[in-house]
Amino acid sequence: AQSVTQPDIHITVSEGASLELRCNYSYGATPYLFWYVQSPGQGLQLLLKYFSGDTLVQGIKGFEAEFKRSQSSFNLRKPSVHWSDAAEYFCAVGAENAGNMLTFGGGTRLMVKP
Amino acid sequence: DGGITQSPKYLFRKEGQNVTLSCEQNLNHDAMYWYRQDPGQGLRLIYYSQIVNDFQKGDIAEGYSVSREKKESFPLTVTSAQKNPTAFYLCASSTWFSGSGDTQYFGPGTRLTVL
Repeated sequence: AQSVTQPDIHITVSEGASLELRCNYSYGATPYLFWYVQSPGQGLQLLLKYFSGDTLVQGIKGFEAEFKRSQSSFNLRKPSVHWSDAAEYFCAVGAENAGNMLTFGGGTRLMVKP
Repeated sequence: DGGITQSPKYLFRKEGQNVTLSCEQNLNHDAMYWYRQDPGQGLRLIYYSQIVNDFQKGDIAEGYSVSREKKESFPLTVTSAQKNPTAFYLCASSTWFSGSGDTQYFGPGTRLTVL
């Protein structure tokens, strides 16, 4: 079975600084990988996804993520954080022949300092 | 506007009562899902349905029940058998083209509190 680890429970960055949120997965074959964002008390919004092909994936709101098979990682990055990016971020992994089931990481809460 | 609606946004229940959470989608998606979210634990799958009149248990189905009588609707009942029902409940839907990797889209959630 697949699993996902988000090592950082909380991260605080200054507005305008760069951001990297870590995601490590465990799965034997090529995974399907997703990043979602959740504002307090809201549902999840898809930021980006990786299925195959180019390992650098561009998403909405200026986010990107890079799939590194050798490191089993799918880290989310943004070059310059805005105060509105403060939220909780979830990495999720899906698997071939597993239906559309997703396994979610525990989430990383991002705080942005003015 | 296409999307997923969940109601109510907040729900309070006394111990021993069953409650039903509503989830409706107008995205014409075949598949629908229910997740439970607790602080620091990410999302855990309760039930999912690939098609009308069919549904499958997820990782934490005990104490919950669902129905799928219409493509648009996938209500979740939290029964009195659920020992710790206070949580945030999220509904999602997706296509089921390949059965792998179809993107799930989420509703705004229902916060259930047991008094």
